[in-house]
Amino acid sequence: AQTVTQSQPEMSVQEAETVTLSCTYDTSENNYYLFWYKQPPSRQMILVIRQEAYKQQNATENRFSVNFQKAAKSFSLKISDSQLGDTAMYFCAFMKEAGAGGTSYGKLTFGQGTILTVHP
Amino acid sequence: DSGVTQTPKHLITATGQRVTLRCSPRSGDLSVYWYQQSLDQGLQFLIQYYNGEERAKGNILERFSAQQFPDLHSELNLSSLELGDSALYFCASSVRAYNSPLHFGNGTRLTVT
Repeated sequence: AQTVTQSQPEMSVQEAETVTLSCTYDTSENNYYLFWYKQPPSRQMILVIRQEAYKQQNATENRFSVNFQKAAKSFSLKISDSQLGDTAMYFCAFMKEAGAGGTSYGKLTFGQGTILTVHP
Repeated sequence: DSGVTQTPKHLITATGQRVTLRCSPRSGDLSVYWYQQSLDQGLQFLIQYYNGEERAKGNILERFSAQQFPDLHSELNLSSLELGDSALYFCASSVRAYNSPLHFGNGTRLTVT
């Protein structure tokens, strides 16, 4: 079974600054996907960014980028130029990549989340 | 807006009762997932359906059941409710049964009193 660990229960950052959220995971799989989801106070779960394990290049989506270290099983999220609207709980999540056989590939396994507060 | 619709937004009921949560996936998505979010357990996977068939089961109690209908909407039935079932229940959908990002609805907040 996979486990995802987010060791920072809470983080805070000043508006316009950069912040990095940490995530580590444990798996015996070689092929998988990693995701960051954002849950603002409105409670909606919003997909922020996705990384395929077979890609060496780190994913980037505008102000959001990841640092994916496969050997270390680490997947951190960097938010640049933080905005007040970035205030939310952030979840790291793992998904096995489907291969031949098996049925448990579609689901996400989530970490416990990091509450990020952006201060003006 | 993710395109996943969940109803109702809020539900308050008493212990021992039964409720039904409804989910309509994004247009074109064939797979539906149910997750429970609580303070002590975090986000827990309950069950997945793909094109009407059960695909994978997680930490779903025997008192809970789900199904996906021919029009692809899904319902999660919770019975003999206990105080500990109070949580936010999310539905998510994806295009395929695997290797696809999940898109979440806004959740149903269930309060059992």
